[in-house]
Amino acid sequence: NAGVTQTPKFHILKIGQSMTLQCTQDMNHNYMYWYRQDPGMGLKLIYYSVGAGITDKGEVPNGYNVSRSTTEDFPLRLELAAPSQTSVYFCASSYSGPRNQPQHFGDGTRLSIL
Amino acid sequence: DQQVKQNSPSLSVQEGRISILNCDYTNSMFDYFLWYKKYPAEGPTFLISISSIKDKNEDGRFTVFLNKSAKHLSLHIVPSQPGDSAVYFCAASGDSGGYQKVTFGTGTKLQVIP
Repeated sequence: NAGVTQTPKFHILKIGQSMTLQCTQDMNHNYMYWYRQDPGMGLKLIYYSVGAGITDKGEVPNGYNVSRSTTEDFPLRLELAAPSQTSVYFCASSYSGPRNQPQHFGDGTRLSIL
Repeated sequence: DQQVKQNSPSLSVQEGRISILNCDYTNSMFDYFLWYKKYPAEGPTFLISISSIKDKNEDGRFTVFLNKSAKHLSLHIVPSQPGDSAVYFCAASGDSGGYQKVTFGTGTKLQVIP
């Protein structure tokens, strides 16, 4: 009964490096999301996907890319990491759209860019 | 622009008393509201929700009230327990800009004192 699994839990990245945050869910949910949470702020939507092969931008997509080749996996790619991307990243999923469905969240990836 | 506002960053309550967490929103297109609870180093977990066609929803010790005219909702926890100590996020959803958007507040940290 894993739910939404994110790896890694913590990571330190140097400025200009790239990395991929992994997210997988085992609930056969169609919708998946990536959020970032900065200190004292709410969650901001980076990208979302309504099904395999379909992705779209959220509120803060710059500097990120995603892909959705399977229902289960929704990796988030950071290209040319910048200090402004230091944040906690949460992946979430839901069976249908968020308008009337609660989302299931992973435990987050704490990313520091130095 | 902060469309979902939680103006109290923190709240302390004695065990057994009522906790009242407040949330205000500005976007009249929001029609579904959720509360999430978050413990440190974990992802948010869904707590309770309410549709705009209702003004109250109850689940055990948790009750959410919605005042559409005031664009205000509140979460009541009665009686409060030490295990309720967490950060509570208010979230609102509705069609926005062509996709189903969820907007989160900045959170209120609740401390229940034994």
